[in-house]
Amino acid sequence: QQQVKQSPQSLIVQKGGIPIINCAYENTAFDYFPWYQQFPGKGPALLIAIRPDVSEKKEGRFTISFNKSAKQFSLHIMDSQPGDSATYFCAAGWGAQKLVFGQGTRLTINP
Amino acid sequence: NAGVMQNPRHLVRRRGQEARLRCSPMKGHSHVYWYRQLPEEGLKFMVYLQKENIIDESGMPKERFSAEFPKEGPSILRIQQVVRGDSAAYFCASSPPTGSTQYFGPGTRLTVL
Repeated sequence: QQQVKQSPQSLIVQKGGIPIINCAYENTAFDYFPWYQQFPGKGPALLIAIRPDVSEKKEGRFTISFNKSAKQFSLHIMDSQPGDSATYFCAAGWGAQKLVFGQGTRLTINP
Repeated sequence: NAGVMQNPRHLVRRRGQEARLRCSPMKGHSHVYWYRQLPEEGLKFMVYLQKENIIDESGMPKERFSAEFPKEGPSILRIQQVVRGDSAAYFCASSPPTGSTQYFGPGTRLTVL
């Protein structure tokens, strides 16, 4: 019940395309869903986060779509650039408690 | 406002030695979390601490691992008698008292020879 399942494991997209990364969770107590971006050798950096009372949140080129009934959420990157190539992690948590992370998606944006 | 600080960034230990990893949270943050990341894997929760209290250590191995967050000074993750399987990146995150948002440090990469 604590798991967060993330797919795909890896993704290659041409510059300008819209990569989509999906996550699914089981625990309905989760009320906080962040996405992190991680470059090799660096720590995860918070990109964008959503709470279950909204179905979509947009920040710049990054959009989270949230489907509470299906217990799924996804990250869309508009107008993707080679500099977006990184590993992306979804996570889920509640209150100030620990975050449960997905396995990560290695995204490559080809020029 | 400096971010989460971790040191050392890289640590090499021989089997059987002790490893001490330090984490200074962001200013104003009183919650600290430690996560472990194995190569090509996601982050796994280890322990959640507030000043002088361990709140949740459900992800911490029962033996050889301990963590503290004293009233003064950084949080310390201590691994005694390290083994090769302890080789990983260890990340610390901090959050403010009232928020869920966790901000991560750059990590400590531990290599056990």
